Amino acid sequence: EDQVTQSPEALRLQEGESSSLNCSYTVSGLRGLFWYRQDPGKGPEFLFTLYSAGEEKEKERLKATLTKKESFLHITAPKPEDSATYLCAVQATTDSWGKFQFGAGTQVVVTP
Amino acid sequence: DTEVTQTPKHLVMGMTNKKSLKCEQHMGHRAMYWYKQKAKKPPELMFVYSYEKLSINESVPSRFSPECPNSSLLNLHLHALQPEDSALYLCASSQNQYNSPLHFGNGTRLTVT
Repeated sequence: EDQVTQSPEALRLQEGESSSLNCSYTVSGLRGLFWYRQDPGKGPEFLFTLYSAGEEKEKERLKATLTKKESFLHITAPKPEDSATYLCAVQATTDSWGKFQFGAGTQVVVTP
Repeated sequence: DTEVTQTPKHLVMGMTNKKSLKCEQHMGHRAMYWYKQKAKKPPELMFVYSYEKLSINESVPSRFSPECPNSSLLNLHLHALQPEDSALYLCASSQNQYNSPLHFGNGTRLTVT
């Protein structure tokens, strides 16, 4: 059965303390993996798409990487404004087009 | 600000009311989605429209009725809801239904009393 698991559930960081979030997936075939950030009371904001193992994408303090079984979202020298819930979503080859499987998210709090 | 606009931002309705949620995008996207999100949970897919035709209905109760009047607009008509339907309702769009990322609006916070 397809599964998307994010860890840890919650992460508390000091400003400047780099860390990584994990999204592991078990699907028979991957069409794409997507990262989003969600602030409280708002809709998810698209960050990155990764399509194949070895691919990396960067944006400001965030870097996403992809292997055949998992993706990491690295946060380098985080600032308080990086506090949010980070969601990953997978579209598998067994999914109907338009369906995405979301992980439960990692809630990140960055303190000054 | 997002490029997907949802109205209203908040809605309180009784179980016998009829109301509608609206969503608009001007990015030229041809796929539009309704998701429901409960607190501290990921979004759950409800409906997908592709080229203005309903392509996915995730067995959603008939008290939720979607409508796509044109490629930029998406509505969700609500009737005889239950308190457990209270949630954040998110609209999203994507370039097409095929492996392109979702762009979400900021949602409508619905409370059913």
